[in-house]
Amino acid sequence: QQQVKQSPQSLIVQKGGIPIINCAYENTAFDYFPWYQQFPGKGPALLIAIRPDVSEKKEGRFTISFNKSAKQFSLHIMDSQPGDSATYFCAASSAGGGADGLTFGKGTHLIIQP
Amino acid sequence: KAGVTQTPRYLIKTRGQQVTLSCSPISGHRSVSWYQQTPGQGLQFLFEYFSETQRNKGNFPGRFSGRQFSNSRSEMNVSTLELGDSALYLCASSYDAYGYTFGSGTRLTVV
Repeated sequence: QQQVKQSPQSLIVQKGGIPIINCAYENTAFDYFPWYQQFPGKGPALLIAIRPDVSEKKEGRFTISFNKSAKQFSLHIMDSQPGDSATYFCAASSAGGGADGLTFGKGTHLIIQP
Repeated sequence: KAGVTQTPRYLIKTRGQQVTLSCSPISGHRSVSWYQQTPGQGLQFLFEYFSETQRNKGNFPGRFSGRQFSNSRSEMNVSTLELGDSALYLCASSYDAYGYTFGSGTRLTVV
């Protein structure tokens, strides 16, 4: 069963804080782990992605930490802003999500309070 | 450059009817995937097309089908609509099966 378990379901953080969203997967064939951000009325937008050959990747204020042995990965948002308030989805796939598609977590509703 | 365009944005259909949704990928992108998003089930993979060929299909009944044209534009069709088909249907495109860009989706309501 291909699953990606995401936690927490919701998260409230003060402006400037560092929200952390965690995901765990089961399928060891997964080799691509993207994070998506979704605002109401919009489709998911790719934030950052990582392959299992690295343990960390940073792009701007967003960082993915990846633990291959634990089959876990997480998203950190540095210096969070109210504009970061959105729903965040982790995902995983083999072969990039083409033939088998992306398997998504259930999402985390993040609120950044001013 | 233009993003992924989905039409229509909203649809209301009656049970038993069929519906066709359209997706225009980013220019140059050859892979088009479709996803269903609902509050209960989240984002679920429907199918993926690459160069007009369906490469795989998610765990959905045969009422859900799709196709891709030579210009990479894609359509998905749902026949004999059920109330449970009410969802946001998302199309995503990619050049190389990585880094998928999603459209804003078509909100389908079945009454």
